[in-house]
Amino acid sequence: EDKVVQSPLSLVVHEGDTVTLNCSYEVTNFRSLLWYKQEKKAPTFLFMLTSSGIEKKSGRLSSILDKKELFSILNITATQTGDSAVYLCAVRTSGSRLTFGEGTQLTVNP
Amino acid sequence: GAGVSQSPSNKVTEKGKDVELRCDPISGHTALYWYRQSLGQGLEFLIYFQGNSAPDKSGLPSDRFSAERTGGSVSTLTIQRTQQEDSAVYLCASSASGTAAYEQYFGPGTRLTVT
Repeated sequence: EDKVVQSPLSLVVHEGDTVTLNCSYEVTNFRSLLWYKQEKKAPTFLFMLTSSGIEKKSGRLSSILDKKELFSILNITATQTGDSAVYLCAVRTSGSRLTFGEGTQLTVNP
Repeated sequence: GAGVSQSPSNKVTEKGKDVELRCDPISGHTALYWYRQSLGQGLEFLIYFQGNSAPDKSGLPSDRFSAERTGGSVSTLTIQRTQQEDSAVYLCASSASGTAAYEQYFGPGTRLTVT
């Protein structure tokens, strides 16, 4: 059974802090790993990673994948209150289905 | 439309009743997915449609759950004889292709409460 595990499940920081969110996986037929930000109901896409060692960046967010050790990290630097959300990691396998982790609830306090 | 839309946004139903949830994907998207998210849980895959291919139903939790996609566009997820454990947010997503590395765009979801 495909499995995606995120840690920590919950994180509370102050504005300006840097955070690292973790995602490990055990799946068959790995195709890609995706990160989503979920603030209310609909997750919004952040990154898709398919190759090891290549960092994806978007503003203060960055992510990298290690296909040998089967994990990915999502970094957020200089956090802002607007970064407060649930961050979901998902792995795409054969047939294009996504297997999601439980998510990390990030709270950024002013 | 501009994005994926779902209806209703909220649905309260009594245990044992049937419910239908609707998803309108982004125009032109060939792949459509249903997920559900129970309180405090990650998203759970339910079913996937790609073009005219047979759907991947491997995530449906029981035979009370079914889904169809008419004309390759709108999809309806039906839950028969609802149970309290069916209470969750049901999310629909679509993507331009099911086989290539395209991101999935999510709708706002339907919050189902079974009393």
